[in-house]
Formats: sequence, structure tokens, C-alpha cells
Amino acid sequence: EVVMTQSPATLSVSPGERATLSCRASQSINGNLAWYQQKPGQAPRLLIYGDFTRAAGVPDRFSGSGSGTEFTLTISSLQSEDFAVYYCQQYNNWPPLTFGGGTKVEIK
Amino acid sequence: QVQLQESGPGLVKPSGTLSLTCVVSGGSISSSNWWSWVRQPPGKGLEWIGEIFHSGGTHYSPSLKSRVTISVDKSKNQFSLNLNSLTAADTAVYYCASLDFGGWLDYWGQGILVTVSS
Repeated sequence: EVVMTQSPATLSVSPGERATLSCRASQSINGNLAWYQQKPGQAPRLLIYGDFTRAAGVPDRFSGSGSGTEFTLTISSLQSEDFAVYYCQQYNNWPPLTFGGGTKVEIK
Repeated sequence: QVQLQESGPGLVKPSGTLSLTCVVSGGSISSSNWWSWVRQPPGKGLEWIGEIFHSGGTHYSPSLKSRVTISVDKSKNQFSLNLNSLTAADTAVYYCASLDFGGWLDYWGQGILVTVSS
């Protein structure tokens, strides 16, 4: 089973600033990674999948990058609606699907 | 656009069985997608439970495999989750989701909180 580790657990950022979230896999996952956003009381929402493709309706301030075992989600200029918890998920060695523990992006 | 809706009891007793159903609308359960269950204990992260294809093929989480059954009813365009031998650790919000054949969860239900308590 591929273990996914996200850092930091909490990221404090001011509106308008850039946020960089990290996700590490315990073995190479060949870019087979998805990112999700979850707001309180809501289901997760798919943000990025495949070759760092944004899901429908996701603003272009969200971007994904990385390879091998190290991946990054970047939010270029944080808006108020972006404060949420973000999860990465690998699907290279599936089943099982495995998620990272999440990064909470909070207002500084 | 595909929509999913979970239903089932919100309270179940320890050692009992959790039974949830997910109705799919706006698309066919016989599409190329897998259909998945994910849970989230209060204040914690996401845990994949398992998945089913419309043909009935299944995959389960190794940690839950001995207690989980996922089934599909194509006539009703729905799939179901059974989880037995419940403990308080199974208390969670349970989500059903559409799993694209590529491996990402593209549509989610709103989730249902299931509490295991006597």
C-alpha cells in the first residue's frame, strides 16, 4: 500500500498570497495523483487529476506539479473561498486508493 | 452531471451492521466508472472503503475487507455498502462517490453521518 504524507498539517496564509502544499508518496506513483478541496460540512471536491488537469470549474489559480514521489499544489493568490482542507490521493497502485492526511489552509 | 445521494440509518448499535445505499442520478451506473465508498471520522481525514463495477466486480480496503460488502442494483441505478461487527471507531461520515476509470473520485454524495452507539 502506498502511504501518502502531506505537509504542513496547517498552513496560515494571508488573502492574496501564494500557498504551496506538499504531498509525498512512499514510492513512485508516476504522476497518478489527484487533489481535493473540502470545506466544513461539505463533501470533498475534485480539483486536479491526471497530468495536472484542473477539474471543470476550478479556477486557474490552482495548479499541480511534481513527479515520482514529490508533488505540490499551488494556489497562486488565495481568495477567501480557498480557505479549506486539501487532500492528495494516489491511484497508481490501486486498489487500494490512498489519501494523504490533509493540509488545512487557514487565514493568517 | 452525475449526482449521488446516500441514505440509511444515522445510528447503529455496536456489533451491528451498517447498511447504506447510494442512488445515482444524471448518469448510468452501467457506465465505465467504478462506484466507491469513502468515510471520514469526525475531525479526521478520508479513508477509502472499497469500490464496485456494474458487473459486480469489487475491491476492498485491506483493513476493512473482512467486514465489508459492496453490491450493485443496476435496475435501481444504485449501489450499497454493508459493514458489520461495528465499533465506535466506525463512527464517521460515509460518502459515496463516482470513481473515474482513471482513478480519481469525480462526483461525491453529500455524505451521511453514521454514529455507532448503544
